[in-house]
Amino acid sequence: ETGVTQTPRHLVMGMTNKKSLKCEQHLGHNAMYWYKQSAKKPLELMFVYSLEERVENNSVPSRFSPECPNSSHLFLHLHTLQPEDSALYLCASSLVAGGLYNEQFFGPGTRLTVL
Amino acid sequence: DAKTTQPPSMDCAEGRAANLPCNHSTISGNEYVYWYRQIHSQGPQYIIHGLKNNETNEMASLIITEDRKSSTLILPHATLRDTAVYYCIVKGSNYKLTFGKGTLLTVNP
Repeated sequence: ETGVTQTPRHLVMGMTNKKSLKCEQHLGHNAMYWYKQSAKKPLELMFVYSLEERVENNSVPSRFSPECPNSSHLFLHLHTLQPEDSALYLCASSLVAGGLYNEQFFGPGTRLTVL
Repeated sequence: DAKTTQPPSMDCAEGRAANLPCNHSTISGNEYVYWYRQIHSQGPQYIIHGLKNNETNEMASLIITEDRKSSTLILPHATLRDTAVYYCIVKGSNYKLTFGKGTLLTVNP
């Protein structure tokens, strides 16, 4: 497997469920990101991890809980979500978290529907 | 990071060059211009980036004006698979990629 992978690709959950999104990067990168893309809205940065430490928490509600156990894996734990949280959740990675020359590589996303 | 302005949509005939413009008049000296694209319901894909000089890779060419206030992404021979939303992003030394609404490029047969 190469690049950035995300599982599951599609998820339907009720508002009382607890679920987790998984992201794995096979690029040897040290920074990982979660983005949210709602219908007809630009991508919004949610969380940034650099060397397994969170460096950004972009005013995201506590019902979204990220976890980065190592530099290759990133999780987004979901609980008591609202229907408005339905969106495409994208994971990305880059060699480092900062720097001027630093393209991010994105996974295919998880399409989340909250009923 | 500087803001960018792109047309909301463009059309291009298959096999012809697609030229996507971007204005970034407030760009500062150490900010790069990045281009990504997003095919429907997929993750964004990095295309190219540049600082001052024109750049070319296997996907596209990037032409940056001398005053750096605007740039053009060129897909030399557009195919139907190039239909996507194209994002022009100006990025400084932090890690943030700020995506706008981009340009929906439709390549027609």
